[in-house]
Amino acid sequence: DAGVIQSPRHEVTEMGQEVTLRCKLISGHNSLFWYRQTMMRGLELLIYFNNNVPIDDSGMPEDRFSAKMPNASFSTLKIQPSEPRDSAVYFCASTTGQDYGYTFGSGTRLTVV
Amino acid sequence: GQNIDQPTEMTATEGAIVQINCTYQTSGFNGLFWYQQHAGEAPTFLSYNVLDGLEEKGRFSSFLSRSKGYSYLLLKELQMKDSASYLCALQEYGNKLVFGAGTILRVKS
Repeated sequence: DAGVIQSPRHEVTEMGQEVTLRCKLISGHNSLFWYRQTMMRGLELLIYFNNNVPIDDSGMPEDRFSAKMPNASFSTLKIQPSEPRDSAVYFCASTTGQDYGYTFGSGTRLTVV
Repeated sequence: GQNIDQPTEMTATEGAIVQINCTYQTSGFNGLFWYQQHAGEAPTFLSYNVLDGLEEKGRFSSFLSRSKGYSYLLLKELQMKDSASYLCALQEYGNKLVFGAGTILRVKS
């Protein structure tokens, strides 16, 4: 089992550019979560999906953020246009929903300059 | 929604026992998690409580009291490698997992 795989590990981009973060779920997991972590705000839930359907996106900061789950094993989080305050570590996590195994990816460290 | 409170920082000595508290206010939840996160790494699962009482797992134990809105994580025989952030999280209905701000634990020799 390769675990939850996120790419890229690090991303440095200029303000105004589009950023796409990617996440591959563990096979058999059907719930997917995107989190953002900063020193000031801790680990914030942005959005989560059950069976490819977005259930709760109330944590998405604003319209510049969008997330998709085009199939059962893959998700993207897009920021367009990016701003310096979006700099953070972005984690995705997945679970089967049948037990308590939420597994996190290694995260993407985003720096917007 | 919910409110999850944890102390910001704690310091303890190698070999000692430390208790990290978590209080919460919520309208209902499935269970309560504790995660460990080392600097620069992803959170990793430590424990899960559904029912009131103590769950023991080696050097780590976690306690839940639903009526009091309270949980704690107990770490025994502290080691230097236990220096990390400890995150309390509520699993709401529908699998939603929401985290507290975390407690940074520093273990000194």
